[in-house]
Amino acid sequence: TQLLEQSPQFLSIQEGENLTVYCNSSSVFSSLQWYRQEPGEGPVLLVTVVTGGEVKKLKRLTFQFGDARKDSSLHITAAQPGDTGLYLCAGGIGGANSKLTFGKGITLSVRP
Amino acid sequence: EAQVTQNPRYLITVTGKKLTVTCSQNMNHEYMSWYRQDPGLGLRQIYYSMNVEVTDKGDVPEGYKVSRKEKRNFPLILESPSPNQTSLYFCASMDRGGSNEKLFFGSGTQLSVL
Repeated sequence: TQLLEQSPQFLSIQEGENLTVYCNSSSVFSSLQWYRQEPGEGPVLLVTVVTGGEVKKLKRLTFQFGDARKDSSLHITAAQPGDTGLYLCAGGIGGANSKLTFGKGITLSVRP
Repeated sequence: EAQVTQNPRYLITVTGKKLTVTCSQNMNHEYMSWYRQDPGLGLRQIYYSMNVEVTDKGDVPEGYKVSRKEKRNFPLILESPSPNQTSLYFCASMDRGGSNEKLFFGSGTQLSVL
């Protein structure tokens, strides 16, 4: 079983601060996805990265896939209370996303 | 509106009383899956289905059954629930193929087994 380690597990910051969180593995993935989950709801896909070294931006969120496709980072610029939630990374193997492996998630709280 | 619908949202039951959690999607997706989410353990896959009449075990299938008789529905069955199956359950579907596969999740079913 491929394991995805996410860090830090919990993060509480003030509105306006920048932050970076990580998703690491010893395994190579063909794709990596980031989801955000709000209380009482299911996870919602934010981005998929498929190429080593790929960087994708979604407004104030910047996602990077490691060169070796074993790790990923999520950087949030000027965090807002609306960014509060659980951030999950999920790795797919060989295009068969039927075996998406999820990390345990990062709980982010942005205080006004 | 594209969506995955789970029912019920909340369920309290007693040990040994059979229950079914329903899941339906309106996107004509071939792939559907069930997950459970527990504090400190994250999302773990229970069962998945690549198409009608095709199901396979995920990482934690013990104590669960599924069926896929039609494309839109993928019910999760607990024949004899036990307290360790108390959890938050999510159904998801996906349109497979290409590099932009994404899982669409339902809103979850909070199950408590007493």
